[in-house]
Formats: sequence, C-alpha cells, structure tokens
Amino acid sequence: AQSVAQPEDQVNVAEGNPLTVKCTYSVSGNPYLFWYVQYPNRGLQFLLKYITGDNLVKGSYGFEAEFNKSQTSFHLKKPSALVSDSALYFCAVRDNNNFNKFYFGSGTKLNVKP
Amino acid sequence: EPEVTQTPSHQVTQMGQEVILRCVPISNHLYFYWYRQILGQKVEFLVSFYNNEISEKSEIFDDQFSVERPDGSNFTLKIRSTKLEDSAMYFCASTRRGAETEAFFGQGTRLTVV
Repeated sequence: AQSVAQPEDQVNVAEGNPLTVKCTYSVSGNPYLFWYVQYPNRGLQFLLKYITGDNLVKGSYGFEAEFNKSQTSFHLKKPSALVSDSALYFCAVRDNNNFNKFYFGSGTKLNVKP
Repeated sequence: EPEVTQTPSHQVTQMGQEVILRCVPISNHLYFYWYRQILGQKVEFLVSFYNNEISEKSEIFDDQFSVERPDGSNFTLKIRSTKLEDSAMYFCASTRRGAETEAFFGQGTRLTVV
C-alpha cells in the first residue's frame, strides 16, 4: 500500500539556521515525490519534486530535498531558514503504476523564530 | 502563470442542504482531483477524474458526493445532503498527463455546515 509518513508534527528552528523536515514513503512501484507548502488560509503550493536522476533536487525559495532510496526518505532542507518560511509542509508521493492520486503525509508545521 | 481557481472561497450551509463547489482547472490539464482538509490537518483524497469519468475515489466519497465536468472547463463537487462533519477546506487540483507531473491546487473553498 502506498503511504507517506512525516514523523514530526512540528519543527522549530532559529532564523539563519539550517532546517530539515522529514518524510518517508512506501510505494509498490517507482516513487515520484513532491513537497508542498501551505501558508495560513491558502492552498498548497508546489515546492519541488523528485522523478529520477540526481538525488538532490532544488526547488522554490531556496529549498532542496534529498532522495534516499535505501532509507525510502525524501527530506526537505534549507541551508538558512527565514521567518517567512514558517508554514505547513506536506510531503506527497505518486506511484508510477497508479497516477490516479497523490498520497499526502500528515504535514509538518515549521516555526522559524527570529 | 496559469492557476486553478475555486469558487466560492467560503460557503456556509445548513445541515441537510445541497452544496456545489466549483473549480476551473488549468486549461491543458487532463487529471482533476478533489481533496479535503479538516482544520489544517491531513490532506485527504476524495476523488480523481479523467476522461470524463471517475478514475478513483476514496471511502470518504460516498453516495452523498458526486463530481461533474459539465462544460469542459468547470469541475464541480456536489454534496447532496451536508452533514456537520463535512465542514472542511475543499481543494481542487489538476495535473497534466503523466505520473511525474505535479498537481496545481486551487486556493480552496471553506465549507462550514451549521
């Protein structure tokens, strides 16, 4: 069965420090992995995706994510956090054998303190 | 930049009433989705729609729910007889063909059932 886990409900980090938001996945076929961000009272905005190739993918707003096949993980990272990065982050996976839907994680609230 | 638009942004309805949530997906997209999110929690899959028919639906999507693409541009979600527990944020999304493509989400409709 396809699933995504985000083990942390909340991540707190000081502005200027590196941040990591964790995600692990389970799919039957090859995974297509995505990160979305949600600001208060807004829809989900696409940040980045991994399809194939280089395990480190770069996306919007300075975010990047590292695909690790052996650990079935796709952690979101940023070298230097900004207060404006504070939001809800969702990891999602799509199975290349069934692209009828995206499976979303439960979300991680990122708090960046000045 | 093309975007998915949803109307209304907020809908208040009495329990037992029918509601129709409207979405205009991005014009060259082929797959359409409805998701819902209760109080900033997990994003839950409701239904996917392709080639004018439902391709997959979740257990949430019972007989009270229906979707339609009446005119080739709008994509609607109808709830026939709303319940209190239907109160949520409803997101429409669309993608181009292919599992590797990211979904573009609308801003959502906040449905409040009283």
